[in-house]
Amino acid sequence: AQSVTQLDSHVSVSEGTPVLLRCNYSSSYSPSLFWYVQHPNKGLQLLLKYTSAATLVKGINGFEAEFKKSETSFHLTKPSAHMSDAAEYFCVVSSGGYQKVTFGTGTKLQVIP
Amino acid sequence: DAGVIQSPRHEVTEMGQEVTLRCKPISGHDYLFWYRQTMMRGLELLIYFNNNVPIDDSGMPEDRFSAKMPNASFSTLKIQPSEPRDSAVYFCASSPSLRGTEAFFGQGTRLTVV
Repeated sequence: AQSVTQLDSHVSVSEGTPVLLRCNYSSSYSPSLFWYVQHPNKGLQLLLKYTSAATLVKGINGFEAEFKKSETSFHLTKPSAHMSDAAEYFCVVSSGGYQKVTFGTGTKLQVIP
Repeated sequence: DAGVIQSPRHEVTEMGQEVTLRCKPISGHDYLFWYRQTMMRGLELLIYFNNNVPIDDSGMPEDRFSAKMPNASFSTLKIQPSEPRDSAVYFCASSPSLRGTEAFFGQGTRLTVV
């Protein structure tokens, strides 16, 4: 069995303040984990991925995420939010023989000027 | 590479009509995925192919939906007959392999069935 839980459907931050988007997963196998971003009326773009190498993963646009096996978490962070970060973010887990892919329900990030 | 290319970007059709969505994956990618995104259900995997062969179609909602991949550079998702509840954004994605690699998404086709 495999699942992803994004704990917040909406997050609102002020420009210049830190961003934290939370993701917990469950998997019977060693998972690969991804964060994607989707801007309005656009496709999904990969922000970063974890594939059993370093547990702290750095991605594009200043985002990073830490894989914590003991907490089954893969939270996405950014030290300082920018207006252009306003978008929907998806946490994704992939594992198993055919690498079944499961998307979280998404977190909409609002950045207030 | 131009990325994953989907056509059309927007489609409006009347209930009962046949709809065909098209996808050109990134050259060299062995896996192709079709997803549907709605406000109610979020992102759902409909079907995926490996080397042009359908591997898992358990996400296809019903027999009105069918997908084909006649060659490595082209796939179609067909809905016949279409219904208003099929209105959604349909994404195609491709990846070079499954283990540890990300999928690259197209811009999506916004389907409206009236």
